[in-house]
Amino acid sequence: GQQVMQIPQYQHVQEGEDFTTYCNSSTTLSNIQWYKQRPGGHPVFLIQLVKSGEVKKQKRLTFQFGEAKKNSSLHITATQTTDVGTYFCAGWSRASYDKVIFGPGTSLSVIP
Amino acid sequence: DSGVTQTPKHLITATGQRVTLRCSPRSGDLSVYWYQQSLDQGLQFLIQYYNGEERAKGNILERFSAQQFPDLHSELNLSSLELGDSALYFCASSVVGGRAGDTQYFGPGTRLTVL
Repeated sequence: GQQVMQIPQYQHVQEGEDFTTYCNSSTTLSNIQWYKQRPGGHPVFLIQLVKSGEVKKQKRLTFQFGEAKKNSSLHITATQTTDVGTYFCAGWSRASYDKVIFGPGTSLSVIP
Repeated sequence: DSGVTQTPKHLITATGQRVTLRCSPRSGDLSVYWYQQSLDQGLQFLIQYYNGEERAKGNILERFSAQQFPDLHSELNLSSLELGDSALYFCASSVVGGRAGDTQYFGPGTRLTVL
């Protein structure tokens, strides 16, 4: 069945450094969403990407959808302690019978 | 606050028991999703309901069942509980839950501990 992978699993950065997490699907996605879960909290929607090659920005966060719609990335510029949490990608595809598939997440720690 | 409510917040029970988790979606949302998140694990999709009907099924065990009622609240029933069922159970809701991928709004979760 369809799989969605994320790398890295964990990332520790010094405050001010950049951070990138990558999401890869075994099949072509209809769209992809990114969610953030703070420690002890619940996932919160960040953004949705639909078009091939789409790039969206939210302040210091840049999201990209691959040309083949099988991968995506989230890049954070100049991390802050408020960026701490786990970032999940979630994809829909016909291969998964339109069930949402969440990646395992990348846990980000920011050292002040 | 996402507008999705879940009760109870915490639940401690013994192996072999049965529990019911409850979720009320955001006002106007027709779809409800259930997820299981074990310690340091990702989100495992269990099941989705749309306007009272089962819409999609994930890795839900036969010991687990769910339903969505006419007022759109949903319940997840877990029976013959095992130690491995200890986890955080999230409910999420979305406006439609269509194939385009609605935004999901997550509740605060129910933490289940099976002793």
